[in-house]
Amino acid sequence: LAKTTQPISMDSYEGQEVNITCSHNNIATNDYITWYQQFPSQGPRFIIQGYKTKVTNEVASLFIPADRKSSTLSLPRVSLSDTAVYYCLVGDQAGTALIFGKGTTLSVSS
Amino acid sequence: GAVVSQHPSWVICKSGTSVKIECRSLDFQATTMFWYRQFPKQSLMLMATSNEGSKATYEQGVEKDKFLINHASLTLSTLTVTSAHPEDSSFYICSASIQNRDRGRNQPQHFGDGTRLSIL
Repeated sequence: LAKTTQPISMDSYEGQEVNITCSHNNIATNDYITWYQQFPSQGPRFIIQGYKTKVTNEVASLFIPADRKSSTLSLPRVSLSDTAVYYCLVGDQAGTALIFGKGTTLSVSS
Repeated sequence: GAVVSQHPSWVICKSGTSVKIECRSLDFQATTMFWYRQFPKQSLMLMATSNEGSKATYEQGVEKDKFLINHASLTLSTLTVTSAHPEDSSFYICSASIQNRDRGRNQPQHFGDGTRLSIL
C-alpha cells in the first residue's frame, strides 16, 4: 500500500500559485519526502526533496511541518506546461523501492 | 544531474516474442535498480528490485520466469519479457539512485524515460 494520500486532481489557471498537500501519517524517522512530476509517456522527473521545514529550488518549494505527517508542494506561477501528474513519495531513497500512490493530476488552463 | 537511460523507447512485436529492455545509469554507479510497470491512466507499480551481482527480488504477483532481470554491472540492468502476450503490453520504467558513500543516503531516485511495449 502507498504510504501517502494526495488529492486526485486539481485545476488552476496560468500564473497562479498551486499548492498540493500530501498526507503521510506513518512516515518513518529515516524517510525523506520527495515529489516527482510525470508527463504522459515519460518517466517521473524529480522536482524536490526534503526532510523537515522548508526547501526551495528553482522550480518549487516544499513545506514540511514539525510533525512531518504532511507536506505541501508549492508551484509558483504555473504555466500550461505544468499540466502533469504529481507524485508525493516517502522513503529513505537509496536502495529502497518507492511505492507510488495515485498522484495528483494538475490541469492548468489559460 | 544523474541520468538514467532506457532503451528502446518503443517496441512493437508479435505475440510469443521475447523482448529485452535496457536500463543504464549514465554518470553514476547503481548497485540497485528498480523496475516498474504502468498501465494507462494508472500509477506506477513496482515489479522488482534489481541487485547487482545477485538475483532480483520480485513483488508479489510478478512472475520471475516471465520477467527476467539481469543486473550484470553497476551501470546496467536488463528486463526481458519472455514469450510476450498482448496483456504484457504496458509502459515499463526503471529507476536508480546514487549510492556513492560520499554523497550520503538522501539521494533521490532517478527514472528512465520508459519503454512502451506493444504486443500484437
